[in-house]
Amino acid sequence: SQKIEQNSEALNIQEGKTATLTCNYTNYSPAYLQWYRQDPGRGPVFLLLIRENEKEKRKERLKVTFDTTLKQSLFHITASQPADSATYLCALDKGGNNRKLIWGLGTSLAVNP
Amino acid sequence: DAGVIQSPRHEVTEMGQEVTLRCKPISGHDYLFWYRQTMMRGLELLIYFNNNVPIDDSGMPEDRFSAKMPNASFSTLKIQPSEPRDSAVYFCASSLPSSQETQYFGPGTRLLVL
Repeated sequence: SQKIEQNSEALNIQEGKTATLTCNYTNYSPAYLQWYRQDPGRGPVFLLLIRENEKEKRKERLKVTFDTTLKQSLFHITASQPADSATYLCALDKGGNNRKLIWGLGTSLAVNP
Repeated sequence: DAGVIQSPRHEVTEMGQEVTLRCKPISGHDYLFWYRQTMMRGLELLIYFNNNVPIDDSGMPEDRFSAKMPNASFSTLKIQPSEPRDSAVYFCASSLPSSQETQYFGPGTRLLVL
């Protein structure tokens, strides 16, 4: 069956450091992979989308990589700030007419001042 | 735009009662999604609509759950009868028609069934 795994343990880092979150998947061939941020009591908010033929995507302090051979995506936040503390979710998309996303459970990130 | 609107934000009910959750998608978005989120299972897609037509309802747990979209600006998710295991946060999301589109989520409805 299709499976997505994100770091199950919460990630604690010091302000200013780079946070790296992992999303691994099996039995799936996504056309796109999306990363969302979720704050307590709120719905997920889209951050970045990367296509299967792209190796890297950047947006301000965020960087996403996508390795279809390893079946893995890495999500990096450089120069992290306490305001980056949240849960980060990855979601896989097969593309085409099916709009169904398959979601990971998320990784909780805490950036300490 | 106000974003995706959901109501109520919180609902506490007793087992056996009917629960109706409501959603207003972002204007112009042709796709509407209903999700359920729990700590153990994360975000699960229940059903999604395209142009008010249900496309994939394979995630609807059982016959106790039903969803409708009578027009482009309104959708409901109904649970009848409700059970304690239905307790979760229910999200509605909408997106634009083209592929690769991101989903815009509402604030969610926190449901507690006693």
